[in-house]
Amino acid sequence: GENVEQHPSTLSVQEGDSAVIKCTYSDSASNYFPWYKQELGKRPQLIIDIRSNVGEKKDQRIAVTLNKTAKHFSLHITETQPEDSAVYFCAASRSGGGADGLTFGKGTHLIIQP
Amino acid sequence: EPEVTQTPSHQVTQMGQEVILRCVPISNHLYFYWYRQILGQKVEFLVSFYNNEISEKSEIFDDQFSVERPDGSNFTLKIRSTKLEDSAMYFCASSSGQVYGYTFGSGTRLTVV
Repeated sequence: GENVEQHPSTLSVQEGDSAVIKCTYSDSASNYFPWYKQELGKRPQLIIDIRSNVGEKKDQRIAVTLNKTAKHFSLHITETQPEDSAVYFCAASRSGGGADGLTFGKGTHLIIQP
Repeated sequence: EPEVTQTPSHQVTQMGQEVILRCVPISNHLYFYWYRQILGQKVEFLVSFYNNEISEKSEIFDDQFSVERPDGSNFTLKIRSTKLEDSAMYFCASSSGQVYGYTFGSGTRLTVV
């Protein structure tokens, strides 16, 4: 089955700086790569996603890049703000919403230092 | 915006008891899922359900677990003979099967004592 590795487990950055979180996956059939933000006790919230026919996607301060050959994808957050502090999970799926579910990484605890 | 609804938000049960966690997926969605998140750990896929049967399941989803769609709106996860290690947040999710993406419910925190 799919295996998703995520690094780092904890990331502390100064407010206003950029943060980068990296994930690798093992199943070459994976086709859909979402990123979720999770606050304590809450559901995972989708912040951005990318499909395998796209190399990069951007939404304001958030961007995701995908390298299908190397089987890795990254989340980039620019101009970080205190409200960006949370746990971020990457995930992968073959179908993106069909029979298979999501395989998640172990999460990155992002701490924004004021 | 349509939501996936889960009840109860928190359930406490005695070890060895059976629990049923309930979910109402988005009405026009076709695929339903259960995930588990032990405190401080990653979200883990348990099972997917389509057309009234299990589509895929993980190694975690053993004979202790079962899922059912008892009527046109509810989707349930039954855990038989609960163990302490079943304590976790359980998330239900659904997808349309036509558009990429999954919608998660707010979760049920299960505490086994």
